[in-house]
Parts: sequence; C-alpha cells; structure tokens
Amino acid sequence: TQLLEQSPQFLSIQEGENLTVYCNSSSVFSSLQWYRQEPGEGPVLLVTVVTGGEVKKLKRLTFQFGDARKDSSLHITAAQPGDTGLYLCAGDNTDKLIFGTGTRLQVFP
Amino acid sequence: GAGVSQSPSNKVTEKGKDVELRCDPISGHTALYWYRQSLGQGLEFLIYFQGNSAPDKSGLPSDRFSAERTGGSVSTLTIQRTQQEDSAVYLCASSLAPGGVSPLHFGNGTRLTVT
Repeated sequence: TQLLEQSPQFLSIQEGENLTVYCNSSSVFSSLQWYRQEPGEGPVLLVTVVTGGEVKKLKRLTFQFGDARKDSSLHITAAQPGDTGLYLCAGDNTDKLIFGTGTRLQVFP
Repeated sequence: GAGVSQSPSNKVTEKGKDVELRCDPISGHTALYWYRQSLGQGLEFLIYFQGNSAPDKSGLPSDRFSAERTGGSVSTLTIQRTQQEDSAVYLCASSLAPGGVSPLHFGNGTRLTVT
C-alpha cells in the first residue's frame, strides 16, 4: 500500500527555472525525509523535518513540513543540471520509512 | 566498511529458481531495511530488522520471500521459485536506529532480472 503520493511524477525544465515538488499523505508522520537518487545508486539523504510547519533550507533547496505533518514540499530555486535526479520523500511510520512514488527531475542546460 | 555493500550487483536467473541477495550494513548500525524499486519509481518497503529480529515483515509480497540477519550485521534476502514480476532493483539500507530521525544509508542495490 502506497501511503505517500508525490507530484508531479516527471518534471523537465530549463536551467535557471524554479520548481516545487509535493509529497502528500492522509497519514500523520512523526518525521519526514527527502532523498535524491541518481542512476545506479541508492538514495542519498537531503534533509529531515520533524516539527509541523518546519522550514529548512539547503542552499537553493527549501523544504517545508505541513502543519499537520501529513504533507511536505521541496522547492528548488534556479535549478541547475546537477539537480537532475529522482527525488523521494519518506515518512516515518512506526519505525519504518515509507517512501513516496518519486519525482523524476531533468534540468537541461 | 565505509558504506553499505550489496552483492551481487546484478543477477539474472531463470523463472522458478531460488536467489539469495546479500547486504553488509555499516558497522554499528542496528537497523537494517530492505526495499524494492521497479523501473526507477518509488521504493516499496519489504522488511526491517532491529538487531537480529524483524519487528515488521508486513511488506514481504508473498511467502516466497524471506529474510534473515545474523550477528546484528549481514542480512540475506531470499526469493524462492522466482517469478518474472520479481524483477526489480532490491535496495538495502542501514541506520543507527530505526525510524526517521536517523538517516538511512543505502547500498547501490542488486538488479534482479528473472527470465
């Protein structure tokens, strides 16, 4: 059963554009993580958010955890080709991490 | 080791055969997770271990799938009588503790192809 839906599923943009990826659930999570995965490799952690309403920034990436801790967003400012990859959100569900459906981002020079 | 190691990196097997996938977690990590990923999509939870015990096996797709962990370290995922729908990348991850506060460190996966 997939508990976390991500949108959009695919995103293809030009370098310099802004974008937002959404992660939504009907379940409440005690924490939520965002990962990025490149071809042939495992996902790598970008950030963990714990508190409802929390906003974290990582250079050009801004992560927000919803007030009710059911949803999250990832905003990228001035996307670069190096941002290309599969972005995955993951919610903490009784000690196991449930992953979202994924958003595949392609940034063209 | 420096990271999570999985072997083999690729496995091609005939339908009906059994396969064993191995995961060597980061030393000292008590939690170990197995996920399955199809066609570069999201990760499907299979099972996790805390030490040698598996508190949650709810994600195992059928009784053809089993996993064990020994010595609080190495884990093996066994798939019996493989089917074509078992074809996927199987990812292993370890963390200092279960849950979302400790980050998961992933291996590069085993790509399983059932012909």
